[in-house]
Amino acid sequence: SQQGEEDPQALSIQEGENATMNCSYKTSINNLQWYRQNSGRGLVHLILIRSNEREKHSGRLRVTLDTSKKSSSLLITASRAADTASYFCLMTTDSWGKLQFGAGTQVVVTP
Amino acid sequence: NAGVTQTPKFRVLKTGQSMTLLCAQDMNHEYMYWYRQDPGMGLRLIHYSVGEGTTAKGEVPDGYNVSRLKKQNFLLGLESAAPSQTSVYFCASSQRGKGLAGGEQFFGPGTRLTVL
Repeated sequence: SQQGEEDPQALSIQEGENATMNCSYKTSINNLQWYRQNSGRGLVHLILIRSNEREKHSGRLRVTLDTSKKSSSLLITASRAADTASYFCLMTTDSWGKLQFGAGTQVVVTP
Repeated sequence: NAGVTQTPKFRVLKTGQSMTLLCAQDMNHEYMYWYRQDPGMGLRLIHYSVGEGTTAKGEVPDGYNVSRLKKQNFLLGLESAAPSQTSVYFCASSQRGKGLAGGEQFFGPGTRLTVL
């Protein structure tokens, strides 16, 4: 079973709007990472947040982590059509082999 | 600097056939991973390697074998392919770090495998 769950499964917004997606997990993590996957391509790393951090920013991306609720959110501000992709969270722990990806959120940004 | 490359890009097998997927990275990364991605699911870890000559099982290792004879290469083998192994396979690599929390993973473009 997957440790991570993401919601929503799909999100459709217009250019300029913000997009928020959430990732929840079950066990303690070492860090949580967000990746983007364009259709038919490999994953691209966006941002990493460690378990002792609460918020991180990178350009138009903002990630929060609430370890008490075992959840993280990714906010994309002022979205663009090029942000259309699937977004995945990756939970890592200290246990070897316990990498877990969420099922992903499919984001469609229309011009 | 090609990053992570995978060959082949596409393959169709018949049940019972064998094949090897090749992953190569030119970033001198210690860690390498093989994942499979199925519709509606995130990536699932098949096997991983923390260095040349070492491999270990991930979440879904059954039906697969791996080898890491050279630091830059990580091979995934299917000895007797089954329709359940129809999937998209991704290889990734990352720098050494604390456990598997080593940080950013770099992904290859994927191999789309169909087993009939």
